[in-house]
Amino acid sequence: AQSVTQLDSQVPVFEEAPVELRCNYSSSVSVYLFWYVQYPNQGLQLLLKYLSGSTLVKGINGFEAEFNKSQTSFHLRKPSVHISDTAEYFCAVTPTGFQKLVFGTGTRLLVSP
Amino acid sequence: SQTIHQWPATLVQPVGSPLSLECTVEGTSNPNLYWYRQAAGRGLQLLFYSVGIGQISSEVPQNLSASRPQDRQFILSSKKLLLSDSGFYLCAGDRDSGWVTGELFFGEGSRLTVL
Repeated sequence: AQSVTQLDSQVPVFEEAPVELRCNYSSSVSVYLFWYVQYPNQGLQLLLKYLSGSTLVKGINGFEAEFNKSQTSFHLRKPSVHISDTAEYFCAVTPTGFQKLVFGTGTRLLVSP
Repeated sequence: SQTIHQWPATLVQPVGSPLSLECTVEGTSNPNLYWYRQAAGRGLQLLFYSVGIGQISSEVPQNLSASRPQDRQFILSSKKLLLSDSGFYLCAGDRDSGWVTGELFFGEGSRLTVL
Protein backbone atom coordinates (compact mmCIF):
# COMPACT_ATOMS: atom_id res chain seq x y z
CA ALA A 1 0.00 0.00 0.00
CA GLN A 2 1.04 3.57 -0.58
CA SER A 3 1.19 6.41 1.92
CA VAL A 4 2.05 10.09 1.83
CA THR A 5 3.50 12.25 4.59
CA GLN A 6 3.30 16.02 4.61
CA LEU A 7 5.15 16.96 7.76
CA ASP A 8 4.25 20.65 7.73
CA SER A 9 0.61 21.32 8.52
CA GLN A 10 1.10 25.06 8.04
CA VAL A 11 3.78 27.17 6.37
CA PRO A 12 3.73 30.95 6.90
CA VAL A 13 5.74 33.02 4.45
CA PHE A 14 6.02 36.63 3.35
CA GLU A 15 5.02 37.74 -0.11
CA GLU A 16 7.81 37.44 -2.73
CA ALA A 17 9.76 35.01 -0.55
CA PRO A 18 10.58 31.47 -1.77
CA VAL A 19 8.73 28.51 -0.36
CA GLU A 20 9.13 24.74 -0.22
CA LEU A 21 6.35 22.38 0.81
CA ARG A 22 7.61 18.95 1.74
CA CYS A 23 6.17 15.60 0.67
CA ASN A 24 7.51 12.13 1.31
CA TYR A 25 5.88 8.94 0.13
CA SER A 26 6.12 5.24 0.82
CA SER A 27 5.56 2.56 -1.81
CA SER A 28 6.98 -0.82 -2.76
CA VAL A 29 6.13 -0.26 -6.45
CA SER A 30 6.62 2.51 -8.99
CA VAL A 31 4.31 5.46 -8.48
CA TYR A 32 2.89 8.56 -10.06
CA LEU A 33 3.01 11.69 -7.91
CA PHE A 34 0.80 14.76 -7.83
CA TRP A 35 0.37 18.12 -6.16
CA TYR A 36 -3.13 19.55 -5.90
CA VAL A 37 -4.19 22.96 -4.58
CA GLN A 38 -7.42 23.77 -2.77
CA TYR A 39 -8.65 27.34 -2.35
CA PRO A 40 -11.11 27.98 0.52
CA ASN A 41 -14.40 26.14 0.17
CA GLN A 42 -13.55 24.79 -3.25
CA GLY A 43 -12.58 21.50 -4.78
CA LEU A 44 -9.04 20.55 -5.70
CA GLN A 45 -7.13 21.61 -8.81
CA LEU A 46 -4.11 19.87 -10.24
CA LEU A 47 -0.89 21.88 -9.90
CA LEU A 48 1.51 19.39 -11.44
CA LYS A 49 2.25 15.71 -11.83
CA TYR A 50 5.18 13.36 -12.22
CA LEU A 51 4.59 10.30 -14.39
CA SER A 52 8.04 9.58 -15.85
CA GLY A 53 11.00 11.28 -17.49
CA SER A 54 12.57 14.45 -16.13
CA THR A 55 12.53 14.52 -12.36
CA LEU A 56 11.92 18.28 -12.34
CA VAL A 57 8.31 18.97 -13.12
CA LYS A 58 6.86 22.39 -13.81
CA GLY A 59 3.25 23.20 -13.12
CA ILE A 60 0.80 26.06 -13.17
CA ASN A 61 1.20 29.36 -11.32
CA GLY A 62 5.02 29.14 -11.28
CA PHE A 63 5.22 26.05 -9.09
CA GLU A 64 7.64 23.21 -9.67
CA ALA A 65 8.48 19.95 -7.92
CA GLU A 66 11.37 17.54 -7.97
CA PHE A 67 11.01 13.79 -7.77
CA ASN A 68 13.77 12.18 -5.73
CA LYS A 69 13.47 8.43 -5.85
CA SER A 70 16.30 7.71 -3.41
CA GLN A 71 14.75 9.98 -0.79
CA THR A 72 11.18 9.07 -1.78
CA SER A 73 10.34 12.76 -1.86
CA PHE A 74 8.39 15.09 -4.12
CA HIS A 75 8.82 18.57 -2.65
CA LEU A 76 6.95 21.53 -4.12
CA ARG A 77 8.72 24.85 -4.63
CA LYS A 78 8.05 28.37 -5.80
CA PRO A 79 10.79 31.01 -6.01
CA SER A 80 8.51 33.94 -5.19
CA VAL A 81 5.03 33.58 -3.72
CA HIS A 82 2.04 35.88 -4.04
CA ILE A 83 -0.82 36.59 -1.66
CA SER A 84 -3.05 34.65 -4.06
CA ASP A 85 -1.03 31.49 -3.40
CA THR A 86 -2.62 31.25 0.04
CA ALA A 87 -4.35 27.88 -0.05
CA GLU A 88 -4.04 24.29 1.07
CA TYR A 89 -1.71 22.05 -0.89
CA PHE A 90 -2.04 18.29 -1.10
CA CYS A 91 0.54 15.77 -2.22
CA ALA A 92 -0.85 12.52 -3.64
CA VAL A 93 0.46 9.20 -4.89
CA THR A 94 -0.86 6.32 -6.93
CA PRO A 95 0.84 3.18 -8.19
CA THR A 96 1.57 3.15 -11.92
CA GLY A 97 -1.31 1.48 -13.70
CA PHE A 98 -3.54 3.54 -11.43
CA GLN A 99 -5.90 2.24 -8.84
CA LYS A 100 -6.75 5.22 -6.69
CA LEU A 101 -5.06 8.32 -5.34
CA VAL A 102 -3.82 8.44 -1.76
CA PHE A 103 -3.53 11.97 -0.39
CA GLY A 104 -1.41 13.47 2.33
CA THR A 105 -2.95 15.48 5.15
CA GLY A 106 -2.24 18.76 3.39
CA THR A 107 -0.11 21.84 4.05
CA ARG A 108 -1.72 25.22 4.52
CA LEU A 109 0.37 27.95 2.88
CA LEU A 110 -0.21 31.36 4.42
CA VAL A 111 1.26 34.26 2.47
CA SER A 112 1.29 37.62 4.20
CA PRO A 113 2.30 41.07 2.91
CA SER B 1 -14.09 19.94 -20.77
CA GLN B 2 -14.87 17.65 -17.91
CA THR B 3 -16.79 19.09 -14.98
CA ILE B 4 -18.42 17.76 -11.84
CA HIS B 5 -21.47 19.27 -10.20
CA GLN B 6 -22.23 18.58 -6.57
CA TRP B 7 -25.24 19.52 -4.49
CA PRO B 8 -26.17 20.70 -2.07
CA ALA B 9 -23.17 22.92 -1.44
CA THR B 10 -23.99 23.30 2.24
CA LEU B 11 -26.10 21.13 4.50
CA VAL B 12 -26.93 21.25 8.21
CA GLN B 13 -28.61 18.11 9.50
CA PRO B 14 -29.60 16.77 12.93
CA VAL B 15 -28.10 13.57 14.28
CA GLY B 16 -30.13 10.57 13.16
CA SER B 17 -31.48 12.19 10.01
CA PRO B 18 -30.89 10.77 6.50
CA LEU B 19 -28.42 12.15 3.96
CA SER B 20 -28.22 12.31 0.21
CA LEU B 21 -25.40 14.08 -1.63
CA GLU B 22 -25.46 14.01 -5.39
CA CYS B 23 -22.70 14.28 -7.96
CA THR B 24 -23.09 14.46 -11.73
CA VAL B 25 -20.38 14.47 -14.36
CA GLU B 26 -20.25 16.26 -17.72
CA GLY B 27 -17.86 16.05 -20.63
CA THR B 28 -16.82 12.44 -20.32
CA SER B 29 -18.32 8.96 -20.39
CA ASN B 30 -17.70 5.90 -18.26
CA PRO B 31 -15.44 7.69 -15.77
CA ASN B 32 -14.20 6.18 -12.55
CA LEU B 33 -15.86 8.19 -9.78
CA TYR B 34 -14.80 8.79 -6.18
CA TRP B 35 -16.18 10.19 -2.94
CA TYR B 36 -13.63 11.75 -0.61
CA ARG B 37 -14.21 13.26 2.81
CA GLN B 38 -12.09 16.05 4.16
CA ALA B 39 -12.15 16.46 7.92
CA ALA B 40 -10.20 19.14 9.75
CA GLY B 41 -6.55 18.15 10.11
CA ARG B 42 -7.04 14.79 8.42
CA GLY B 43 -6.58 15.48 4.76
CA LEU B 44 -8.65 13.65 2.18
CA GLN B 45 -9.96 10.23 2.98
CA LEU B 46 -11.22 8.05 0.15
CA LEU B 47 -14.66 6.71 1.05
CA PHE B 48 -15.94 5.02 -2.09
CA TYR B 49 -15.01 4.54 -5.69
CA SER B 50 -16.94 3.23 -8.68
CA VAL B 51 -15.70 1.90 -12.00
CA GLY B 52 -19.18 1.66 -13.53
CA ILE B 53 -22.94 1.57 -13.05
CA GLY B 54 -23.87 -0.38 -9.93
CA GLN B 55 -20.22 -1.07 -9.06
CA ILE B 56 -19.17 0.37 -5.71
CA SER B 57 -16.08 -0.29 -3.64
CA SER B 58 -15.93 0.86 -0.04
CA GLU B 59 -12.60 1.91 1.37
CA VAL B 60 -13.46 2.27 5.04
CA PRO B 61 -16.19 0.86 7.26
CA GLN B 62 -18.61 3.63 8.09
CA ASN B 63 -22.12 4.91 8.41
CA LEU B 64 -22.31 5.91 4.75
CA SER B 65 -23.17 4.17 1.48
CA ALA B 66 -22.79 5.06 -2.18
CA SER B 67 -24.68 4.24 -5.34
CA ARG B 68 -24.16 4.76 -9.05
CA PRO B 69 -27.53 4.47 -10.76
CA GLN B 70 -26.32 6.05 -14.02
CA ASP B 71 -22.97 6.36 -15.75
CA ARG B 72 -22.55 10.02 -14.80
CA GLN B 73 -24.34 10.05 -11.44
CA PHE B 74 -22.81 9.16 -8.09
CA ILE B 75 -24.76 9.44 -4.83
CA LEU B 76 -23.55 9.40 -1.24
CA SER B 77 -26.16 8.44 1.36
CA SER B 78 -26.76 7.68 4.99
CA LYS B 79 -29.86 6.39 6.77
CA LYS B 80 -28.91 7.95 10.13
CA LEU B 81 -26.24 10.60 10.44
CA LEU B 82 -23.70 10.68 13.24
CA LEU B 83 -21.83 13.69 14.59
CA SER B 84 -18.64 12.19 13.16
CA ASP B 85 -20.09 12.38 9.64
CA SER B 86 -19.54 16.14 9.60
CA GLY B 87 -17.02 17.25 7.01
CA PHE B 88 -16.40 18.47 3.51
CA TYR B 89 -17.34 15.88 0.90
CA LEU B 90 -15.72 15.92 -2.51
CA CYS B 91 -16.76 14.01 -5.60
CA ALA B 92 -14.03 13.34 -8.15
CA GLY B 93 -13.64 11.64 -11.50
CA ASP B 94 -10.86 10.58 -13.82
CA ARG B 95 -9.63 12.86 -16.55
CA ASP B 96 -10.02 11.29 -19.97
CA SER B 97 -6.58 9.79 -19.59
CA GLY B 98 -7.01 9.39 -15.88
CA TRP B 99 -7.35 5.66 -15.96
CA VAL B 100 -3.71 5.67 -17.08
CA THR B 101 -2.29 8.63 -15.20
CA GLY B 102 -4.43 8.84 -12.09
CA GLU B 103 -5.24 12.53 -12.57
CA LEU B 104 -8.58 13.51 -11.06
CA PHE B 105 -10.95 16.44 -11.49
CA PHE B 106 -13.03 17.52 -8.54
CA GLY B 107 -16.39 19.05 -7.81
CA GLU B 108 -16.77 22.13 -5.62
CA GLY B 109 -17.62 20.08 -2.55
CA SER B 110 -20.53 19.73 -0.12
CA ARG B 111 -20.08 20.90 3.44
CA LEU B 112 -22.07 18.80 5.90
CA THR B 113 -22.58 19.83 9.51
CA VAL B 114 -24.30 17.35 11.78
CA LEU B 115 -25.71 18.85 14.98
